[in-house]
Amino acid sequence: QKEVEQNSGPLSVPEGAIASLNCTYSDRGSQSFFWYRQYSGKSPELIMFIYSNGDKEDGRFTAQLNKASQYVSLLIRDSQPSDSATYLCAVRDNFGNEKLTFGTGTRLTIIP
Amino acid sequence: DGGITQSPKYLFRKEGQNVTLSCEQNLNHDAMYWYRQDPGQGLRLIYYSQIVNDFQKGDIAEGYSVSREKKESFPLTVTSAQKNPTAFYLCASSIWAGGPGDTQYFGPGTRLTVL
Repeated sequence: QKEVEQNSGPLSVPEGAIASLNCTYSDRGSQSFFWYRQYSGKSPELIMFIYSNGDKEDGRFTAQLNKASQYVSLLIRDSQPSDSATYLCAVRDNFGNEKLTFGTGTRLTIIP
Repeated sequence: DGGITQSPKYLFRKEGQNVTLSCEQNLNHDAMYWYRQDPGQGLRLIYYSQIVNDFQKGDIAEGYSVSREKKESFPLTVTSAQKNPTAFYLCASSIWAGGPGDTQYFGPGTRLTVL
């Protein structure tokens, strides 16, 4: 059974600080990794994906992947109150398989 | 306006009834998916379909059925055999190019409550 683990939180971060969200996965063969943001009562929306070791930046968001440690993280710089949401990590095991395995999410609260 | 639509937004069902949740997309995506989300839980895959007239069971298919007669549509039926159907149901779609960035995009969801 493939597993994706996230700290459920809540994680509280002051406005303007860096929020760091972590995710570990059990299947060493996993290839693609996705971060979704989900506001309360709403559907998930894609923030970014990563599939190569290292960092990938998109605006205030940076995804970091370390396949050797089976670890993926999301950094949010200059955190804003509008970033308060649950962040879901999702993992796909290979490029030809569209199935995603989701973590349970980390609830992030930005404190003004 | 491209996107994924789900209807209804809220649905109430009596025990023993079958209900069908609608999912339509105009993104020309090949693949479509149904997930279930319970409070404090991640998303669990119910069924998915890569092409018309073909679909596969996900991790929790028991008590559910689907059809894929058109590329744009992937309705989900929650049958009376589903023992605990109260949940938030999410439909998603993606291209099927076999690339690392093939991304699933979600509809707004249907919240089903069994009375």
